[in-house]
This record gives sequence, structure tokens and C-alpha cells, in this order.
Amino acid sequence: RKEVEQDPGPFNVPEGATVAFNCTYSNSASQSFFWYRQDCRKEPKLLMSVYSSGNEDGRFTAQLNRASQYISLLIRDSKLSDSATYLCVVVGKGGSQGNLIFGKGTKLSVKP
Amino acid sequence: DAGVIQSPRHEVTEMGQEVTLRCKPISGHNSLFWYRQTMMRGLELLIYFNNNVPIDDSGMPEDRFSAKMPNASFSTLKIQPSEPRDSAVYFCASRGDSPLHFGNGTRLTVT
Repeated sequence: RKEVEQDPGPFNVPEGATVAFNCTYSNSASQSFFWYRQDCRKEPKLLMSVYSSGNEDGRFTAQLNRASQYISLLIRDSKLSDSATYLCVVVGKGGSQGNLIFGKGTKLSVKP
Repeated sequence: DAGVIQSPRHEVTEMGQEVTLRCKPISGHNSLFWYRQTMMRGLELLIYFNNNVPIDDSGMPEDRFSAKMPNASFSTLKIQPSEPRDSAVYFCASRGDSPLHFGNGTRLTVT
């Protein structure tokens, strides 16, 4: 099993749709989790952290399921500007700063 | 805050040539990371520094790759000699207590 796995997509959705991505991780001792967004030919940028109790930022909701070892990202009322690749990031045990493992990303395309 | 600054933005070179990529982290960030991104392998950590000291270079592909951080505001990643399979986007990132901040990347093409 890969350390961090994501469905590469693409997810093609119409404007206004709700879309959800999952990301599974193999190390049960993983401590911190993030979602990054990467636009075409740009650098990854932090979208949001993922907290144990789940957290929301506007149209975006992130959740963590430790028992099943996955994190999720829900986007409501999707906009054309949400089109990007979404990368999940898992930080290993001990918070080793180098132990940030990136998934390969899920590509989202929002159509008019 | 100027963000993480990388240069050059694009580099095209011939196989066998030396390539040097440069990075200026965000002021005050004490950790610096070099990543390589390709379609096939995604984002891979090559090496990271903490307080200018290399902590983990296990991701460096082979001896042709080397990285230095002579001070808190500058780092280089050198490939010598370069090969076509080194073609990728190379990102530098830095962090303090904050999450990781990436530079714009250097798109390297080795012909």
C-alpha cells in the first residue's frame, strides 16, 4: 500500500455541484494532515489544515477519519475557479519536518 | 513578504551540463526543502535543511545531485552532470511554525 493515495481523477463537475475527494494514508501514527491546491504550472499552496474534529472554511470542509485512515475534502457550490489539482499531505509520527508526504493529487475540472 | 524566491524559472540545458538551481526562503523560516515534481512520480522530497544543516537527503536520487545551504537566506541544488531523466519541476519550500510555503519552481528540461 502506498503511503498516501489519492484518486487522480479527473473529476469533471458542473458549476454549483458538490464534490468530495478522499485521501488514504498507510501510517496509523501520522499526526498532521493538510490539503494543498495546485493550479496548472503553479506551485502548491496551502488550502486548509485538517483537524480531528473536522473543520470548515467557507465552501470547503475537511474531515479526518483515523479509524479508516483517510481524510476528505468536500467542496460545495463549486466554482469555475475551483478547477485545480488537490494534494493531500500527511505528516508522520514525531512531527519530523521532513516527513511530509504528498499524495499525487486529484484533478478537479469545474465546467460552466 | 516576498515569499520563497527561486531562480531561474526555466532552464533548458544539454545532457552532461551542470545545472544550479537557487532558492531564497522566507525570512525567519528555519527549514528549507527541495522537491521534484513529475507527472509520473508526483511531488518527491529530495532533501531538507533545518537551521542550515542537512537533515535528510535520502530522497536525493544519486551522487549527481547535491544541495547546500551556506546561510539562512540561500540554498542551491546542483545537478552534475545532468541527464534527460532529470527533467522536472523543482520546487523549493520553507517553513517556520507555519505550514510549508513553496516557491514558483524551476522548470528544468535536459535535452
